[in-house]
Amino acid sequence: GESVGLHLPTLSVQEGDNSIINCAYSNSASDYFIWYKQESGKGPQFIIDIRSNMDKRQGQRVTVLLNKTVKHLSLQIAATQPGDSAVYFCAENLSGGTDKLIFGTGTRLQVFP
Amino acid sequence: DSGVTQTPKHLITATGQRVTLRCSPRSGDLSVYWYQQSLDQGLQFLIQYYNGEERAKGNILERFSAQQFPDLHSELNLSSLELGDSALYFCASSAAGTGLGQYFGPGTRLTVT
Repeated sequence: GESVGLHLPTLSVQEGDNSIINCAYSNSASDYFIWYKQESGKGPQFIIDIRSNMDKRQGQRVTVLLNKTVKHLSLQIAATQPGDSAVYFCAENLSGGTDKLIFGTGTRLQVFP
Repeated sequence: DSGVTQTPKHLITATGQRVTLRCSPRSGDLSVYWYQQSLDQGLQFLIQYYNGEERAKGNILERFSAQQFPDLHSELNLSSLELGDSALYFCASSAAGTGLGQYFGPGTRLTVT
């Protein structure tokens, strides 16, 4: 079926440490993945995306890793800051003409000083 | 600021009523997507329009409908409202019609009493 899920609902890290947020997806036909950050009271904010023909993509302080063999996606945040505290969602886009994104349930990242 | 605008920010109405939510996409974006976010179900895709035409449909109730106008803004109409329709409703837009790189608006919080 269509489902994207997250292993950890809440992740607590100390400021300055690296954070890793994980996501499992179920549809091997998915060819595009996005990570979103959602702060309280705001809409999801695009962080980084990756296509299925890539294993890794880096942005500013963030890296997304894609393991198609085990259908796993991760978001790494370097030197986590208090402003990184939010809920993070992974989303997958199914290939084959459909345009909808399937979102995971979200992981809450809490950053402590 | 994603460039996607939504009005109103908050809406409180009674069961059985009808409301209209409005979305203006980012300048140049042809696709508009509507999502519902409730506490127990995460982000659920409702419907997508591309350049005025319906492109993809998700789990949208028959009581709900949407349209995209020639100026590319979109409206989501919710009728015969029920308590369970209380949620955040987000609009997203993207340049192409492929679901890639969707940017979200700030959302409309609907409370049905």
